[in-house]
This record gives sequence, C-alpha cells and structure tokens, in this order.
Amino acid sequence: KQEVTQIPAALSVPEGENLVLNCSFTDSAIYNLQWFRQDPGKGLTSLLLIQSSQREQTSGRLNASLDKSSGRSTLYIAASQPGDSATYLCAANSGGSNYKLTFGKGTLLTVNP
Amino acid sequence: DAGITQSPRHKVTETGTPVTLRCHQTENHRYMYWYRQDPGHGLRLIHYSYGVKDTDKGEVSDGYSVSRSKTEDFLLTLESATSSQTSVYFCAITATSGASYNEQFFGPGTRLTVL
Repeated sequence: KQEVTQIPAALSVPEGENLVLNCSFTDSAIYNLQWFRQDPGKGLTSLLLIQSSQREQTSGRLNASLDKSSGRSTLYIAASQPGDSATYLCAANSGGSNYKLTFGKGTLLTVNP
Repeated sequence: DAGITQSPRHKVTETGTPVTLRCHQTENHRYMYWYRQDPGHGLRLIHYSYGVKDTDKGEVSDGYSVSRSKTEDFLLTLESATSSQTSVYFCAITATSGASYNEQFFGPGTRLTVL
C-alpha cells in the first residue's frame, strides 16, 4: 500500500526566501506525482504534475523534482511571497489506468511580510 | 477549474438521515472521484468511477454508495448519516487528453455536518 509523507507539517519563512517542501512515498512504482495548493476553506488547485519518466517540472517560481529510486519529490518555491501562504499537498498515483491518488497530509506554509 | 461544481456547498443534517451530494462536470471526463478531507487524516478516496455505471471502492467506502447514470454527474450517497461522516467532501476528475493529460482537478468541496 502506497504511503505518502510530507515533512515538515508546518513551515514559516520571511518574504523573499527560497524554500523547499518535501514529499516522500514508499512505493517507487508510481505513475506520476502531483503537487497541489489549498487555501483555507477552499478546494485544491493543481500546481505541477510530474510523470514517472520526468525528473522535474517548472511553472513560474515553482519547480518540482522527482526521484523515483529514492521515493522523494521536492517542490522548490523561489522568492517566496505572502500570497504563497497556503497548505501544499503532494499526491502519488500508483493506480495506473484509474489514476487513483494517495495524498500526503500537507505542509502548511506561512510567508511573513 | 475543469468545469466541476458540487452541490450543496454546505449541509447540516441529523444522524440517521439519508444525504446525497452531487458532482457535476461539463467537460465529458471519464474518470471521477469522491474524497473526504479530515484533520489529521488528509484526503482519502471514498469511491471512484471510470465510466457511466462503472464504479469502484476506494480506501474509506464503508457507509457510502455512489451512482453515475450520466457522464457529467457523479452522486455520493450516505444512506444513514453518522457523526463520523462529518467532513469536507471533494469531487475530482482526471483529464485524459490535452495539455493537462493525467492531471487531476478538484471541485470546490461540500462541507457536511452530521448532528
């Protein structure tokens, strides 16, 4: 059974800092891995999807990497802003054709002005 | 947002009553999912559908049933609601074509309180 862990559970940084969020998974036979953002009381917003054949994906100030052999993914946020404050979730798809996701419990990021 | 809506957005009900939540999508996606999100547990898959009338159980399916009679609608039913089913319920789809191939998108959620 796939298990996904995100450490730390919470992170507080000053504005402008570059930061890394960590995600680890137990079964390296994943189909893809997806990063989401969730604002309080809201739904999940997809940030980046990395296919199993890829090593990284970039969108603006965000860069996600994937290392299947070590069971790890990281989300790098450059030049953090207060608007980046949210919970960040990673999810691994080990379900093949049905695209079922297993979620980590998230990292609550606070960027202080 | 992949054209996903959920109704109702908020509901308060009493223990033992039946409750149906609706997920509606406008983009003809084949795969649809119901999750619940609870503090300390994160998001957990309840049921999913891979086509009209094709559904299967997820991680936490006990006490829930689903139906999908049309591509655009996926219904989640709590036959007899219990307080342990107080949660936020999210519907999701997976895009299987285009630039967002394999990406999963979520609806806005339904907050359900069972008294």
